[in-house]
Amino acid sequence: DSGVTQTPKHLITATGQRVTLRCSPRSGDLSVYWYQQSLDQGLQFLIQYYNGEERAKGNILERFSAQQFPDLHSELNLSSLELGDSALYFCASSTIAGGGETQYFGPGTRLLVL
Amino acid sequence: GESVGLHLPTLSVQEGDNSIINCAYSNSASDYFIWYKQESGKGPQFIIDIRSNMDKRQGQRVTVLLNKTVKHLSLQIAATQPGDSAVYFCAEKPPGYSTLTFGKGTMLLVSP
Repeated sequence: DSGVTQTPKHLITATGQRVTLRCSPRSGDLSVYWYQQSLDQGLQFLIQYYNGEERAKGNILERFSAQQFPDLHSELNLSSLELGDSALYFCASSTIAGGGETQYFGPGTRLLVL
Repeated sequence: GESVGLHLPTLSVQEGDNSIINCAYSNSASDYFIWYKQESGKGPQFIIDIRSNMDKRQGQRVTVLLNKTVKHLSLQIAATQPGDSAVYFCAEKPPGYSTLTFGKGTMLLVSP
């Protein structure tokens, strides 16, 4: 158990819908990272927040957004969902923002868009 | 070499053998590297890391070797066990970035 929690574990929805994925980092970690894992793209970095502020952006679509709240939990919002958004979404956390340290991953949310 | 999607490179070994999983990274200036293990249906689990000022680092039953000349990283697992069966990912952190870039992964299958 990494100490990172994610909810829900599974999510089934329809195209065009909007969903929110939630992540609670390890106690004491200020940085949260979101990744998407699909069969044909591997693990892709989406976005990073550090202590409530956006720190880095990766291959995140404009239909996706995220935020980190004062209690340091983070939410990833996916809107206008398409079939191709079906994937595993992972959250990871680390203590610092610089990236030169271990990121601990949560168990993931499996999203299926029908 | 690396493959995409379902066509992950696969390493099949017998229980008790030593395993070596290889990774070619992309940025010669990357200064931090991590190996993760991912079991089916679970999130990536940290195994071991190494900074670019080191060539070798050992953990419990695992050793990571870094060859910066050829941009190559390897993970050695001693006395491989069936519980080691998983997909193994290497990741690198380029300088000036706070994020990791992951390789496509290698599937390790351990037979009893």
